[in-house]
Amino acid sequence: DIVMTQSPDSLAVSLGERATFNCKSSQSVFHSSRYRDYLAWYQQKPGQPPKLLISWASTRESGVPDRFSGSGSGTDFSLTISSLQAEDVAVYYCQQYYTSPRTFGQGTKVEIK
Amino acid sequence: QVRLQQWGAGLLKPSETLSLTCAVSGASFNSGYYWTWIRQPPGKGLEWIGEMNQSGGTNYKSSLKSRLTISVDTSKSHFSLTLTSVTAADTAVYFCAGGYYDNILTIYYPFDYWGHGTLVTVSS
Repeated sequence: DIVMTQSPDSLAVSLGERATFNCKSSQSVFHSSRYRDYLAWYQQKPGQPPKLLISWASTRESGVPDRFSGSGSGTDFSLTISSLQAEDVAVYYCQQYYTSPRTFGQGTKVEIK
Repeated sequence: QVRLQQWGAGLLKPSETLSLTCAVSGASFNSGYYWTWIRQPPGKGLEWIGEMNQSGGTNYKSSLKSRLTISVDTSKSHFSLTLTSVTAADTAVYFCAGGYYDNILTIYYPFDYWGHGTLVTVSS
């Protein structure tokens, strides 16, 4: 199984400041023939199902604010919120969908400092 | 607009069988999508537990394989989860979810669509 490890486990950032957190996979999730990284980021707020924010490591889903950006390739990935808003308080999960089991990271909790 | 609506028993005793169903609307159920179950123990992270593709093929989390079945009723656009011999460790919010699958290029996409979640508590 591909193990996904996120860091840090939690992060407190002031409103308007940048938040960056990381995800590392135990093996590459880059599909060479498709030339894509099979890496997604989800946002989960309390009492809600996760919401897909980013697919293919860096492609924002429709309606996701452009302050969210994903980067990285192979085994190392990051999600950045360029200017943290109050509504961004949530837990963020990375997930590889390269192969089954389509594993998740343990999550990074983002709070307001 | 694809919508997933799920239901099932929320309180079980140890050794009983967990059964959940997810109804899909707004999508061609057996073409272009794959369907998944994910669970989340209280206060913890997301755990992928199994999936079914449009051909009816299944993949299961290895530690649950002996107790887990994912099935589909295409006539009703439903897919279901059955987990036998539950213990307290199976207590979690269970989500159904779906993602697009390109069967020509064999490309899996991440999970765009989610049910609201069902809390299943196992307690004597």
